[in-house]
Amino acid sequence: RKEVEQDPGPFNVPEGATVAFNCTYSNSASQSFFWYRQDCRKEPKLLMSVYSSGNEDGRFTAQLNRASQYISLLIRDSKLSDSATYLCVFSNTGKLIFGQGTTLQVKP
Amino acid sequence: GAVVSQHPSWVICKSGTSVKIECRSLDFQATTMFWYRQFPKQSLMLMATSNEGSKATYEQGVEKDKFLINHASLTLSTLTVTSAHPEDSSFYICSAREAGVGELFFGEGSRLTVL
Repeated sequence: RKEVEQDPGPFNVPEGATVAFNCTYSNSASQSFFWYRQDCRKEPKLLMSVYSSGNEDGRFTAQLNRASQYISLLIRDSKLSDSATYLCVFSNTGKLIFGQGTTLQVKP
Repeated sequence: GAVVSQHPSWVICKSGTSVKIECRSLDFQATTMFWYRQFPKQSLMLMATSNEGSKATYEQGVEKDKFLINHASLTLSTLTVTSAHPEDSSFYICSAREAGVGELFFGEGSRLTVL
């Protein structure tokens, strides 16, 4: 089983839609979780950390389910500028492990 | 926010040559730097962890003699791809962490194409 599994997509949604991504991880000892955003041919950039209690940053909501070993990202009111690849990332012993990424394409 | 700079951003070289990529933390001291490689449509794969003043720790399957890492100062780490071959063509990204600070900052990446 892969350490991190994500549906690569692409997810094609219209502007204003709500879209959710899930990501499962296999290492129950994983300590920290993040969502990164990567634009085409660019470096990844931290979107938000993921906390057990769930956290929200504007239109973005992230949740962690340790029992089922997955994290999720919800994007409300999608904008064209949200089009990117969203990487699920977890940290174990200080190293970041990246998922393959889920590609989101927001259409006008 | 903190800035990590990578150079060169892209490089094309002939098979058999060596290529050096630099990663600099511009406004903080990075005790730890990480080197990643990303092939098209794949995830970032950690290659090695570089600690200032000590030998790098390589991930399983990464040849330490082929990918030479030097972290001689708190603001600079270099990755040298020795005797590069076409299969080494990839997007190489470094990241750096300031001592005592959790967030990891990424360089802009270096796209290597070996002909």
